[in-house]
Amino acid sequence: SQQGEEDPQALSIQEGENATMNCSYKTSINNLQWYRQNSGRGLVHLILIRSNEREKHSGRLRVTLDTSKKSSSLLITASRAADTASYFCATARLRGGNKLTFGTGTQLKVEL
Amino acid sequence: GAVVSQHPSWVICKSGTSVKIECRSLDFQATTMFWYRQFPKQSLMLMATSNEGSKATYEQGVEKDKFLINHASLTLSTLTVTSAHPEDSSFYICSAIGSVSTDTQYFGPGTRLTVL
Repeated sequence: SQQGEEDPQALSIQEGENATMNCSYKTSINNLQWYRQNSGRGLVHLILIRSNEREKHSGRLRVTLDTSKKSSSLLITASRAADTASYFCATARLRGGNKLTFGTGTQLKVEL
Repeated sequence: GAVVSQHPSWVICKSGTSVKIECRSLDFQATTMFWYRQFPKQSLMLMATSNEGSKATYEQGVEKDKFLINHASLTLSTLTVTSAHPEDSSFYICSAIGSVSTDTQYFGPGTRLTVL
């Protein structure tokens, strides 16, 4: 069943602006991951943050995790038109093995 | 590294036929592979977990006789949609986990199935 919810569902910004996407989930987790999907394509792994971590950076990406609120955010700084895609969070549940439960996704459009 | 391929990338078939989709890990051995389906503008729903040499574990609500999964080797898993119907039309995506980094799933490019 779908566990995570993301907001906003859709986000349109100008190139150079920052984009923030939020993800909420319901159960205890081992880790939370963010993926990107271009239209009609497979998923690309962006970043993984473990349940004992609070913040992680990778290039222009910054991910935060608040396990007390069961929420995470993905910040893309200085966005580019090439960042246009759908972004999904996915959680690996505690004692759930490697299975991932995906959020509903945020469609990001970065305009020139 | 960590490349997963799927074949075919798209397929159109008549109602009642069976369709096989292959998922291959090209440069690593996949101890576990997962199969997802995704409807337009929706999220990915896990269908089943496949471990090499053993029976697949299906998620609740997924018919195992309808969606046959075979994980015959450490680099290949297949999903066969049997007696396909228009409601089976969807985007099917596989992912694989290697033995080194078991937290990260590497996704294939997906297969678009259209059943007429």
